[in-house]
Amino acid sequence: AQSVSQHNHHVILSEAASLELGCNYSYGGTVNLFWYVQYPGQHLQLLLKYFSGDPLVKGIKGFEAEFIKSKFSFNLRKPSVQWSDTAEYFCAAKGANAGKSTFGDGTTLTVKP
Amino acid sequence: GAGVSQSPRYKVAKRGQDVALRCDPISGHVSLFWYQQALGQGPEFLTYFQNEAQLDKSGLPSDRFFAERPEGSVSTLKIQRTQQEDSAVYLCASSLGTDSYEQYFGPGTRLTVT
Repeated sequence: AQSVSQHNHHVILSEAASLELGCNYSYGGTVNLFWYVQYPGQHLQLLLKYFSGDPLVKGIKGFEAEFIKSKFSFNLRKPSVQWSDTAEYFCAAKGANAGKSTFGDGTTLTVKP
Repeated sequence: GAGVSQSPRYKVAKRGQDVALRCDPISGHVSLFWYQQALGQGPEFLTYFQNEAQLDKSGLPSDRFFAERPEGSVSTLKIQRTQQEDSAVYLCASSLGTDSYEQYFGPGTRLTVT
């Protein structure tokens, strides 16, 4: 069965600190991977995606993620967070030719000014 | 261009009532997805359509849940005889296809069953 696990439920950082949010997936076959962000009061938005090719993908707002196939991981990183990055972050996986996506339970990031 | 829209944004239903939740996908998007998000959890897949065909309904939790997309555009998720455990945010997403396409999410409908 497909599953996605996010290691941290709640992360609190000060502005300018570096961020890494863990995501591990369990899936048989070719997988597409995503990070979504949900800012307070807003709907889910795509941060970045991995389909194939370069395992280091860059997204919006300075975020990046690295697909490490041998570790079944797709961790999200940002070198220097801002107060405006306060949000909930979801990792998701889907089969390359499948419809359904499987989401992790999310990580709430709080950035202190 | 407009994104995915959902209505109503909030719905309060008494236990046992039927509810209907509407989703308007992005124009031209072939695939449409429904997810259920309980408090403190990630979205959980319910069902998806490619055009008007419902290709996967494996996530529907019971036969009280029914979804349709009769003309391959607007979709309705219907929940019959609502129960308290149905309280959640119901998310709709659409995409150009299913193969390596990203999904665009709507704002969700928050359903509270009292």
